[in-house]
Amino acid sequence: AQSVTQLGSHVSVSEGALVLLRCNYSSSVPPYLFWYVQYPNQGLQLLLKYTTGATLVKGINGFEAEFKKSETSFHLTKPSAHMSDAAEYFCAVRDQAGTALIFGKGTTLSVSS
Amino acid sequence: GAVVSQHPSRVICKSGTSVKIECRSLDFQATTMFWYRQFPKQSLMLMATSNEGSKATYEQGVEKDKFLINHASLTLSTLTVTSAHPEDSSFYICSAGQGKSGELFFGEGSRLTVL
Repeated sequence: AQSVTQLGSHVSVSEGALVLLRCNYSSSVPPYLFWYVQYPNQGLQLLLKYTTGATLVKGINGFEAEFKKSETSFHLTKPSAHMSDAAEYFCAVRDQAGTALIFGKGTTLSVSS
Repeated sequence: GAVVSQHPSRVICKSGTSVKIECRSLDFQATTMFWYRQFPKQSLMLMATSNEGSKATYEQGVEKDKFLINHASLTLSTLTVTSAHPEDSSFYICSAGQGKSGELFFGEGSRLTVL
């Protein structure tokens, strides 16, 4: 069965600092991997996804993530945090098209000025 | 990208009543849709997989008689919370996929408050 572990339920950074949100997955087959962002009382917005091909994936708002099969990781990074990045971030895995996404527990990102 | 719409976005009901939430794929056909539930400050938990023209598949621990799912067409799935109680208050989110990209598109969510 597939699963997702997000290390750190809460990450705090200063504006302009590097953002690193960690995600490890477990899947018996090559996975599809996703990062979503959720603002309070809103739905999910896709930041980026890995399906096949290049392991470094660039997403919206300056975020990127790298799929490392050997480490079963898909960490999310952004070189310079903005105040507007403060939100809840979810890593998710899907083992094949047609199945549901399985989400990690989420990481709350706080950005201070 | 593809659009999935949920209605209503917010609903308040009295304990004991039933509430229906609709999930529509606006510009694509979805043979499968998924329903999630999210408690405050928690992750999304898969409730059930909704299959067009057949019975939904429920996750362990989800009461199928309480959370009725109907997927009558390729663009519409409904979740009915029957005899709602305050503990059913939550954020319900549907999703649907398109093609082989692996991506699922999410509705805006429906916040249910049971008084």
